[in-house]
Amino acid sequence: GAGVSQSPRYKVAKRGQDVALRCDPISGHVSLFWYQQALGQGPEFLTYFQNEAQLDKSGLPSDRFFAERPEGSVSTLKIQRTQQEDSAVYLCASSLRTSGGGYNEQFFGPGTRLTVL
Amino acid sequence: AQSVTQPDIHITVSEGASLELRCNYSYGATPYLFWYVQSPGQGLQLLLKYFSGDTLVQGIKGFEAEFKRSQSSFNLRKPSVHWSDAAEYFCAVGATGGSYIPTFGRGTSLIVHP
Repeated sequence: GAGVSQSPRYKVAKRGQDVALRCDPISGHVSLFWYQQALGQGPEFLTYFQNEAQLDKSGLPSDRFFAERPEGSVSTLKIQRTQQEDSAVYLCASSLRTSGGGYNEQFFGPGTRLTVL
Repeated sequence: AQSVTQPDIHITVSEGASLELRCNYSYGATPYLFWYVQSPGQGLQLLLKYFSGDTLVQGIKGFEAEFKRSQSSFNLRKPSVHWSDAAEYFCAVGATGGSYIPTFGRGTSLIVHP
């Protein structure tokens, strides 16, 4: 596709439900990043992949958060037993290749707005 | 650890007026610095970045930013604002040493009056 797409765009969950958020990166982009953006705040890094390998998950706030990218393309961020503090916009970004080989611009998707009631 | 401060939560300007959005960073070495813009319902778009070299950086949409090491600042400027510039602006600092993963400030909301 032309850009990074995310689905669903909006998700309402009851506290305790599990949710899965999908990210389709730009075709050919090796690196994929997830961020959490709370209301009125800047995005905060959650995790990143190079192909199917999850190279950094230091930003995941708890073990209820899990991300995967099994075939090195589409990625899913899963949140188990959602809590009200999980309410945020979840942004996905992709870039051509990872750092270490030089900077590549991250292209962001529109985000998924998660509301936990 | 790196951090970014954007001291202004909201900035209001008239269309055609000049704009300066402030950004201060904290980082032990020469940082990588970024400005992003986020329009409602949209993802972030990179306006410009500074890695090294000329401290005055030109970006897209007529924006520029100046890196001032002595002030730990990277302020964003535009000489004449258009109504379409109304959006949320984020300054970010990326760690040197290869990660490039940005740490964002909380953002400044730009309101443009006609």
